[in-house]
Amino acid sequence: GAVVSQHPSWVICKSGTSVKIECRSLDFQATTMFWYRQFPKQSLMLMATSNEGSKATYEQGVEKDKFLINHASLTLSTLTVTSAHPEDSSFYICSARVPGAYSNQPQHFGDGTRLSIL
Amino acid sequence: GQSLEQPSEVTAVEGAIVQINCTYQTSGFYGLSWYQQHDGGAPTFLSYNALDGLEETGRFSSFLSRSDSYGYLLLQELQMKDSASYFCAVSPAPDYKLSFGAGTTVTVRA
Repeated sequence: GAVVSQHPSWVICKSGTSVKIECRSLDFQATTMFWYRQFPKQSLMLMATSNEGSKATYEQGVEKDKFLINHASLTLSTLTVTSAHPEDSSFYICSARVPGAYSNQPQHFGDGTRLSIL
Repeated sequence: GQSLEQPSEVTAVEGAIVQINCTYQTSGFYGLSWYQQHDGGAPTFLSYNALDGLEETGRFSSFLSRSDSYGYLLLQELQMKDSASYFCAVSPAPDYKLSFGAGTTVTVRA
């Protein structure tokens, strides 16, 4: 079945560091991917929609200069958290859907990246 | 905007049946999905309803009433491995974005 791979699974770094997270669709092409953030014991909050070959669409309140998204190919989207600070520590999850599928095609989620900023 | 309400916690014993309700208010509606997430893991798709009625997938079933802006997930023959968080999510537009509820933590006891 369709699989979404996310890397790295865990990052611990110092404040001020920029961190890149990769999201790959392994056996299908994804023109659209989604990036979510999840704080402990809370729901998934959509941050942005990553569109292959065009600019990402950010949700209200999400700083696009802080969270840089690049979707350079049909199988790879990257999220870069720039100049990360402790308040950016969270669980970041990507998802993708198979293009052209019916509306009940589920989104496939990556395993998530746990980001801890010291 | 969108708002979804679901219970925060449910506890049940092995073999029991659990129903998780979800009521929603959205600007538009293109379907209600259910996802399971084990602690520290990724959400996995369980079920989807675009039309009124019941969808059955093994031990899990999902129901939707669009007129009542209401749906539920039914977990039957509960097993210990079903202990997880369950999220309902609506698709408010045909752009495949999902808006998630706060999640229901299901704890299955022996």
